[in-house]
Amino acid sequence: KAGVTQTPRYLIKTRGQQVTLSCSPISGHRSVSWYQQTPGQGLQFLFEYFSETQRNKGNFPGRFSGRQFSNSRSEMNVSTLELGDSALYLCASSFAGGSDTGELFFGEGSRLTVL
Amino acid sequence: AQKITQTQPGMFVQEKEAVTLDCTYDTSDQSYGLFWYKQPSSGEMIFLIYQGSYDEQNATEGRYSLNFQKARKSANLVISASQLGDSAMYFCAMRDRCCRTYKYIFGTGTRLKVLA
Repeated sequence: KAGVTQTPRYLIKTRGQQVTLSCSPISGHRSVSWYQQTPGQGLQFLFEYFSETQRNKGNFPGRFSGRQFSNSRSEMNVSTLELGDSALYLCASSFAGGSDTGELFFGEGSRLTVL
Repeated sequence: AQKITQTQPGMFVQEKEAVTLDCTYDTSDQSYGLFWYKQPSSGEMIFLIYQGSYDEQNATEGRYSLNFQKARKSANLVISASQLGDSAMYFCAMRDRCCRTYKYIFGTGTRLKVLA
């Protein structure tokens, strides 16, 4: 069973640019969530999607957005990049069924560097 | 508000010995789930073990066990017979069990180094 796939793995952008990150969840998983990981702030929840609807949102500015497609694949976009957006962005999928314990299955992340 | 606290930024353990990684949590909810994840240098977060708030027995998964003390609101991870491959960051996390929401709260992590 293929795991969670995130692309690209590494990318370098400059301030003011925008970036789009992609996540393909495990087959059959309907929930996809995104996290930002930095050394200073740890793992911070960005948002969660379920059946193409954003179900939860963390405390991030509107420059951070996301969406989920009908095949459960998800993208997140960051516009007007700032130096502080440099981070590892982790995508996680979950079955989100009724009896599910809810463990998250993570991808290897997209490491974004903003210069 | 929910909160996860991991007070050990770094830990060392000798190979083949057991080690306990501390985690305390704060929540006013009665129904919740507690998780431990391992993050090697590659970046991927690997699920290790789960404990539900209503589970009466401590969870175990191979060499991993969760020492769940509900009254003290602690969920410590015990790794027995440490191996060099256990060197990684370890994160404790909590999730509301109800309502099918999947917003986790993570601790700041503990970096474990296993010594040969």
